[in-house]
Amino acid sequence: GAVVSQHPSRVICKSGTSVKIECRSLDFQATTMFWYRQFPKQSLMLMATSNEGSKATYEQGVEKDKFLINHASLTLSTLTVTSAHPEDSSFYICSAKPDREVNEQFFGPGTRLTVL
Amino acid sequence: GQQLNQSPQSMFIQEGEDVSMNCTSSSIFNTWLWYKQDPGEGPVLLIALYKAGELTSNGRLTAQFGITRKDSFLNISASIPSDVGIYFCAGRSSGTYKYIFGTGTRLKVLA
Repeated sequence: GAVVSQHPSRVICKSGTSVKIECRSLDFQATTMFWYRQFPKQSLMLMATSNEGSKATYEQGVEKDKFLINHASLTLSTLTVTSAHPEDSSFYICSAKPDREVNEQFFGPGTRLTVL
Repeated sequence: GQQLNQSPQSMFIQEGEDVSMNCTSSSIFNTWLWYKQDPGEGPVLLIALYKAGELTSNGRLTAQFGITRKDSFLNISASIPSDVGIYFCAGRSSGTYKYIFGTGTRLKVLA
């Protein structure tokens, strides 16, 4: 149990285009999901908290108009990187908190974004 | 953003040796989680700790919730080559679902 998937696993795009990343909880419901960004050899930095049925909460310094988050159902959150630039290239990882759990989060396998 | 200090930053050990790493915070936490991340993959949850002083094991892994609630420790006994990876601690305060992650400990095991 507690499996989280992400799609795509890798994406390469041209500068100025938009990229959508999906995060799904496969065997549990998750009202709350989280989006992280990880640069090479660095730790995970929380970008935003995604809440089903309401607006996402963004961390300080994260542009909400650039990183659009939609939590459309209890098992799906999407992150859209709009007008991507090379500096947006990173490893994006989502996690999901099962509604039955207060304390634990389970991570997806991550999406490697490369912006040319 | 805020990060927790993890020590050591990296370590090389011989197969069969025991490994210890720790995580410290300036804030009090209610929950500590320990994750392992392999290259190009998402972190995998190893151990969850919920109470100060708690000692929890998962196979060869043992983690402890520090009694001050500002630190946590992870030990790996009799290391094997597949223990290679980056280990992250994560702490959560009361009143939030958000976790703050440690800076990571990169473990390399020499066969």
